Order: sequence, then C-alpha cells, then structure tokens
Amino acid sequence: DQQVKQNSPSLSVQEGRISILNCDYTNSMFDYFLWYKKYPAEGPTFLISISSIKDKNEDGRFTVFLNKSAKHLSLHIVPSQPGDSAVYFCAARVNAGGTSYGKLTFGQGTILTVHP
Amino acid sequence: DSGVTQTPKHLITATGQRVTLRCSPRSGDLSVYWYQQSLDQGLQFLIQYYNGEERAKGNILERFSAQQFPDLHSELNLSSLELGDSALYFCASSAAVGGWQYFGPGTRLTVT
Repeated sequence: DQQVKQNSPSLSVQEGRISILNCDYTNSMFDYFLWYKKYPAEGPTFLISISSIKDKNEDGRFTVFLNKSAKHLSLHIVPSQPGDSAVYFCAARVNAGGTSYGKLTFGQGTILTVHP
Repeated sequence: DSGVTQTPKHLITATGQRVTLRCSPRSGDLSVYWYQQSLDQGLQFLIQYYNGEERAKGNILERFSAQQFPDLHSELNLSSLELGDSALYFCASSAAVGGWQYFGPGTRLTVT
C-alpha cells in the first residue's frame, strides 16, 4: 500500500520557468508534509515543509501548496535554475497519535532537469 | 554537510554474508532512523531508535537488525544477504522523535 505517490518519474523545464512537482497521499494521519532534494551520491536534503493545517508555505523560490480535500500537494520552484536539477522526494510524517510518530513515508521521487 | 556520518560509503559482498553499517547522528540528536532505497524506489523506512530504545519498525526483514549505543551511534546489521538486498541504506537523525530528519550520505551495498 503506497501511501505517498509521485506519479511523474521525471520533469524537464527551461531555466527561468516554473517547475511544478506533484504528490498524492492517502493516509489522513499525516500531520506534516516535507520535500527533500537529492543529488547523486548524497543523502536527501530537507527543502521545505507544510503543516496539515496550512494550505501554503513559501521559502524564497520554493512554495508548497496543500489541498487536504484532494489529498494532494505540490512544490513550485520559481524561477527554476540549472542547479535545481536533482531528484525531489515528497515525504509525509505520521502524527503524534500514530504508533510510528516521526517516521517518514516517502514517494518514489521525481527527477527534475532544468535546461539552461 | 548534514552532520550525519555513515560508514562505509560502499560495500561489496557475497550472498549469504553478514555486514554492519554504521551511523553517527548529528551532535545532540537523540533519534536515529534507517531507510533503504532500492533501484527506482523511494526511501523505505526500516527502523527508528530514540536514546537507545527502539521506537518504531517499518518494513524491516527478520534478517536485519539494528541497535543504538549509549554514545548514540547506531548500527544496522544485515545477515544472510541476498541479491535483492543490494540498495542504498540511509541513516537520518533528529533532535527528538518527530523532529525534522537530517540524512547521512548513505552506504551503497552491492551483493554479488
């Protein structure tokens, strides 16, 4: 049972344009959603998060939107830069009422390529 | 640099063997998590420790075990290795249970 899904294995955009990465989830026990960025031969790096009680969180060029009714979140990168080329993982954290509080459930990742 | 260290970086071993992967969390972090990333897969949660005690288990095989020591470093032991165990193994740490997790660079295990 895949509780967090990233249905697009890859995304290619032009430098300066917007990149939109999508993620769907099924478990209502998630209280926080996170995006991690991963370069080859490195571990995932935390990028941005959003609480389940919010619908938007912004940090510089990165904005995450959450649609709870649709169980969908998206990461917007504007403007996209070649250095943003990496694998982006969506992750969700089980809330404190769950037996696995703190555990992250990851999507399969989306490879973003930003062309100069 | 996340402050989480993992050794070794690469490991090549044969089927049936046993290996130990080591993780040192960020200074001050009490919670350690282990994840497995197989080819074309997302990261799968294996197990979580907090201050030396097991807190949660995920999809961890019975052939795998882990522990967290008094100095807070953690080891993941994989035994009776199979070809399908070839993967990247990541360790992450957080200050407290539920805190944001910081990942190490991973150990790439190849079973031949």
